[in-house]
Amino acid sequence: DGGITQSPKYLFRKEGQNVTLSCEQNLNHDAMYWYRQDPGQGLRLIYYSQIVNDFQKGDIAEGYSVSREKKESFPLTVTSAQKNPTAFYLCASSPSGTTSYEQYFGPGTRLTVT
Amino acid sequence: GQSLEQPSEVTAVEGAIVQINCTYQTSGFYGLSWYQQHDGGAPTFLSYNGLDGLEETGRFSSFLSRSDSYGYLLLQELQMKDSASYFCAEVASGSARQLTFGSGTQLTVLP
Repeated sequence: DGGITQSPKYLFRKEGQNVTLSCEQNLNHDAMYWYRQDPGQGLRLIYYSQIVNDFQKGDIAEGYSVSREKKESFPLTVTSAQKNPTAFYLCASSPSGTTSYEQYFGPGTRLTVT
Repeated sequence: GQSLEQPSEVTAVEGAIVQINCTYQTSGFYGLSWYQQHDGGAPTFLSYNGLDGLEETGRFSSFLSRSDSYGYLLLQELQMKDSASYFCAEVASGSARQLTFGSGTQLTVLP
């Protein structure tokens, strides 16, 4: 079964701690994306990667970091510099950057920082 | 930056037809996608318009008018399971083709 997995589903952290969210896909897609969703809001792009070992900042990259060492994996680190980290984080992929209009989403990780 | 406008809420009854409108800014526009998201779930792709006109996929259709910077999602023969949030997303021009999402329209289908 092909798809995108994100783990864990729920994550709780104390302020001041860095936390890494996992995203894995077995769809053989080149492009991967991280979004943040706040209650009642749309998705905002944090980072995206069109190819292994390359990634670009999205609209709200401050306080976040990513890596793309393997095609299948695009982990997101929420650092202590992120002022309001509590949110629903969604990872997505598309076959390539030019087919980004159709993205496949993982189930999301709900992060709570207290 | 780019921004999209869509109604925050729409209510309709089972079996009815509902239209969700979306207006966008024209700077760097490439196309318009639509996504459905059930409460607490992952968004799923519904439709894409790269050209003006109507795209039909079963009960769902999407329309784009570049001259009016406007699109809509049409849902026919509404079912209870269609209750969800619907997002329009602007596809940017350029090699990366990033998506910028609207704030979403919460559709409630009543029996």
